[in-house]
Amino acid sequence: EPEVTQTPSHQVTQMGQEVILRCVPISNHLYFYWYRQILGQKVEFLVSFYNNEISEKSEIFDDQFSVERPDGSNFTLKIRSTKLEDSAMYFCASSGTVTYNEQFFGPGTRLTVL
Amino acid sequence: AQSVAQPEDQVNVAEGNPLTVKCTYSVSGNPYLFWYVQYPNRGLQFLLKYITGDNLVKGSYGFEAEFNKSQTSFHLKKPSALVSDSALYFCAVRDMYSSASKIIFGSGTRLSIRP
Repeated sequence: EPEVTQTPSHQVTQMGQEVILRCVPISNHLYFYWYRQILGQKVEFLVSFYNNEISEKSEIFDDQFSVERPDGSNFTLKIRSTKLEDSAMYFCASSGTVTYNEQFFGPGTRLTVL
Repeated sequence: AQSVAQPEDQVNVAEGNPLTVKCTYSVSGNPYLFWYVQYPNRGLQFLLKYITGDNLVKGSYGFEAEFNKSQTSFHLKKPSALVSDSALYFCAVRDMYSSASKIIFGSGTRLSIRP
């Protein structure tokens, strides 16, 4: 069964450093998403990506964040200068269509900013 | 604002007994509702969805959910719980105002099934 994969599973970084979280969505999916879950809190939407551009972003997704699909398979989330409050579980998701299809989530990357 | 609420942080059930995990929603228009499950060190796994049609929706692992428009609820149910059902369950709704159909999640309910 096809699945979304994410690497690394856990990333530890120093405050102010750049991190790149990687995702491989399901191969025939067209819509890609990043969500995050701060420990003990709800899963929150960050950004969606379609046709090689951001289709929607939340207020959390400020200038420190960027997304990219550098090739036909990978989808990345970059945080340029990490802050302590960026520590969270980051989930990548993909969907075949935008209207009715559920989103399929990866296992997540736990980001710890020290 | 659109939202889903899961009133119980934790639900404890004995193995073999029926289980219910509650969810209520607040949306404008017709809701698209989902249930996801999260096992330790795993991602969010899709269980089932309600878009339209029959109010009783069947999903993975023997789970089902009942859509009730008058009570704005979408409770998750299973007739006979298994220990392996122990996990964190999230109710979610598609944001009807989102061009990208982002999902809005509830706070989660931890289901614990005792042998």
